[in-house]
Amino acid sequence: AQSVSQHNHHVILSEAASLELGCNYSYGGTVNLFWYVQYPGQHLQLLLKYFSGDPLVKGIKGFEAEFIKSKFSFNLRKPSVQWSDTAEYFCAVNAPDDYKLSFGAGTTVTVRA
Amino acid sequence: DAGVIQSPRHEVTEMGQEVTLRCKPISGHDYLFWYRQTMMRGLELLIYFNNNVPIDDSGMPEDRFSAKMPNASFSTLKIQPSEPRDSAVYFCASSTLGARNTEAFFGQGTRLTVV
Repeated sequence: AQSVSQHNHHVILSEAASLELGCNYSYGGTVNLFWYVQYPGQHLQLLLKYFSGDPLVKGIKGFEAEFIKSKFSFNLRKPSVQWSDTAEYFCAVNAPDDYKLSFGAGTTVTVRA
Repeated sequence: DAGVIQSPRHEVTEMGQEVTLRCKPISGHDYLFWYRQTMMRGLELLIYFNNNVPIDDSGMPEDRFSAKMPNASFSTLKIQPSEPRDSAVYFCASSTLGARNTEAFFGQGTRLTVV
């Protein structure tokens, strides 16, 4: 079974600052990787996903993530955050033949205007 | 498609009462998942179905919890009797077998409060 670790529980930063959220997973085989975002009071929405190919994945709203296989990592980045990026961010993983997603504990991001 | 639809959005009930949460997955999706989200435990997978058949219910916390999927367009999660510690947001999600690599689409969730 896979497990996912998100090292930052809560991140507070100012608008225009850069953001990087860490995500590590434990699974020896091929994985699919996802970042979901949950805005206050809303459901989870997909930010980006990695299945194969270019390890640098670009998602919506200026987010990107880099898959580093040797480090079992899939860190999320955004060069310049906005107040509207305040949300909770979840990293998730599954194996290609297993539709069950394993989620990390989530990172709450608060962007101050 | 309207996406995954859950009802009700909010439910407040008294301890000991039966609670039924409902989910309509995206049309054509073969997989349906029930997740529970709490501050303490984050997002937990309770159960998931493939083609209306329960595949893995190892996340269901107790016998008080049960889930059904009588057809491809409807699923229920029932708690009987409910307890205050069941208070959480319950999400339903669906995905498709059509593409091997696909993401899950989530509903808006049901916020359950048991008093």
